[in-house]
Amino acid sequence: DAMVIQNPRYQVTQFGKPVTLSCSQTLNHNVMYWYQQKSSQAPKLLFHYYDKDFNNEADTPDNFQSRRPNTSFCFLDIRSPGLGDAAMYLCATSRTSGSYNEQFFGPGTRLTVL
Amino acid sequence: GQNIDQPTEMTATEGAIVQINCTYQTSGFNGLFWYQQHAGEAPTFLSYNVLDGLEEKGRFSSFLSRSKGYSYLLLKELQMKDSASYLCAVEDSNYQLIWGAGTKLIIKP
Repeated sequence: DAMVIQNPRYQVTQFGKPVTLSCSQTLNHNVMYWYQQKSSQAPKLLFHYYDKDFNNEADTPDNFQSRRPNTSFCFLDIRSPGLGDAAMYLCATSRTSGSYNEQFFGPGTRLTVL
Repeated sequence: GQNIDQPTEMTATEGAIVQINCTYQTSGFNGLFWYQQHAGEAPTFLSYNVLDGLEEKGRFSSFLSRSKGYSYLLLKELQMKDSASYLCAVEDSNYQLIWGAGTKLIIKP
């Protein structure tokens, strides 16, 4: 089945220790998104890529970086995680960035910062 | 600013009907989505409305009034597995999704 895969599902890191989260998709979608979601809150868009064009949300901290080496893979790097970065990180894809922008989500990576 | 409002939590009884409301104020409108999210899992697509009116899909229906900036999700014949959060999201003029915080629906036997 075509899908969005995220690894790992659960990640524990120490305060200040860099961490990388990965996302891959077999849907061949042009657009990939990274969201941060904290408990009982709306998903917060961090970045999105249209093909290789990178779009950084204005309020995404510099501590968060992203890479998309090819259509299938996308990575989220957190350079120096703080306690406030503990959250669920969701990767999503969509076929286009135009209207009817249905997004398909991976299962998420739950990040714990000790 | 852009804003999506939905109730934080609702409770309903198994077998009953529940309506979850969503009001929005966004810069432009290119459609409204409803997603279901079970605890600890990713959101999954339920419905999309871009024209006024009711879209029915099995036990779930979604309604849109663009002039009122209002939508609702109607769930019929509630089952225990419907216990989840329901997220309303609006596609703005830049085709970005603006998300609500979700409505946690609790189903009681």
